Amino acid sequence: QKEVEQNSGPLSVPEGAIASLNCTYSDRGSQSFFWYRQYSGKSPELIMSIYSNGDKEDGRFTAQLNKASQYVSLLIRDSQPSDSATYLCAVNRAGGSYIPTFGRGTSLIVHP
Amino acid sequence: GAGVSQSPRYKVTKRGQDVALRCDPISGHVSLYWYRQALGQGPEFLTYFNYEAQQDKSGLPNDRFSAERPEGSISTLTIQRTEQRDSAMYRCASSFFQNEKLFFGSGTQLSVL
Repeated sequence: QKEVEQNSGPLSVPEGAIASLNCTYSDRGSQSFFWYRQYSGKSPELIMSIYSNGDKEDGRFTAQLNKASQYVSLLIRDSQPSDSATYLCAVNRAGGSYIPTFGRGTSLIVHP
Repeated sequence: GAGVSQSPRYKVTKRGQDVALRCDPISGHVSLYWYRQALGQGPEFLTYFNYEAQQDKSGLPNDRFSAERPEGSISTLTIQRTEQRDSAMYRCASSFFQNEKLFFGSGTQLSVL
């Protein structure tokens, strides 16, 4: 089992819809969770970080964390074509070695 | 600097040659990470430093790979006796301290012929 799992997609949604991106992780002791966006040919850039169970909202983005289910998600409301990118989930390993481990990423396509 | 700087942007080398990839992190950032990213995959951890101390090198594929950060700022990832399978995008990232968000450089695209 991979440490961080994401569906590679592509996930295709119409403009204005809600895009839901999901991520599961294997290390039950993980404490820190991040979502990065990576445009084609570019470097990853942080969108959201979340550390405790529940929802965290920032503009059109909402991160959701459920540690019991080892599940973290990212919701993008009112999706725009400019949101088309690969979304990478990153989880910091537990046990004192703070190594962000990335999933393979989910490709999102927002069509007009 | 304003952002994480990596050089060279592209490196083409012949099999068996040694290469050195450079990373200049954001000024004041304590933690520096090296990742490798294949096309269509997420970044794969190689090694990381806090200040000049290498905290974890468990992701280095074999002993041909090494990294250093002698003064706690600029870091160099060295690959000796390169092989074709080493071809990939090598990304450096820094953070204010460990367990915080990463800022990535533009990467070095390594091609081993």
